[in-house]
Amino acid sequence: GAVVSQHPSRVICKSGTSVKIECRSLDFQATTMFWYRQFPKQSLMLMATSNEGSKATYEQGVEKDKFLINHASLTLSTLTVTSAHPEDSSFYICSARSLTGPSGNTIYFGEGSWLTVV
Amino acid sequence: GENVEQHPSTLSVQEGDSAVIKCTYSDSASNYFPWYKQELGKGPQLIIDIRSNVGEKKDQRIAVTLNKTAKHFSLHITETQPEDSAVYFCAASILSGGGNKLTFGTGTQLKVEL
Repeated sequence: GAVVSQHPSRVICKSGTSVKIECRSLDFQATTMFWYRQFPKQSLMLMATSNEGSKATYEQGVEKDKFLINHASLTLSTLTVTSAHPEDSSFYICSARSLTGPSGNTIYFGEGSWLTVV
Repeated sequence: GENVEQHPSTLSVQEGDSAVIKCTYSDSASNYFPWYKQELGKGPQLIIDIRSNVGEKKDQRIAVTLNKTAKHFSLHITETQPEDSAVYFCAASILSGGGNKLTFGTGTQLKVEL
């Protein structure tokens, strides 16, 4: 299947600083990528939809100025958590939509990034 | 918007037995139903999906069935093995040119016991 790479897999940052998480589609172009947040033993919560070359669409209740999303190319989307606080500590997961090839119109997930804010 | 319900929340089976996880969805326009397996600390892995133009799809020990009229879809795992133990999520979506926002079920913790 298609591969989505997420980096870093784990990051610890100090309260008040910003941290960037990258999501790459390795073997397909993704015009649309999605960012999720997941708390322990809970389902995935969609934060925003990232479209290449345009502004991200945020879900209700998600602060766009705090969670900055950039989708500058067809294979890369980034999520920047600004002025991080301990309550931002969570598992962040991206996914990408493949439109072409044998995996056409299918959504694949990255391995996730554990963020700990201390 | 779409609402997906998933049952059961936990499921324990003996190795070799079958496991069935059921989901219902609310939006009749949904036409894409993937299933994901998530192991602890990892991202969800697509294991099988089905589109609304078919009623059943099988891949080795895994099968998915879809009843569009009842808005039900189910995951069937046969001959379960300990490595099948994980959290399984169903999801529903409307495939379109600019969409594909998945709505997830609440997950099922499957435990396969020896």
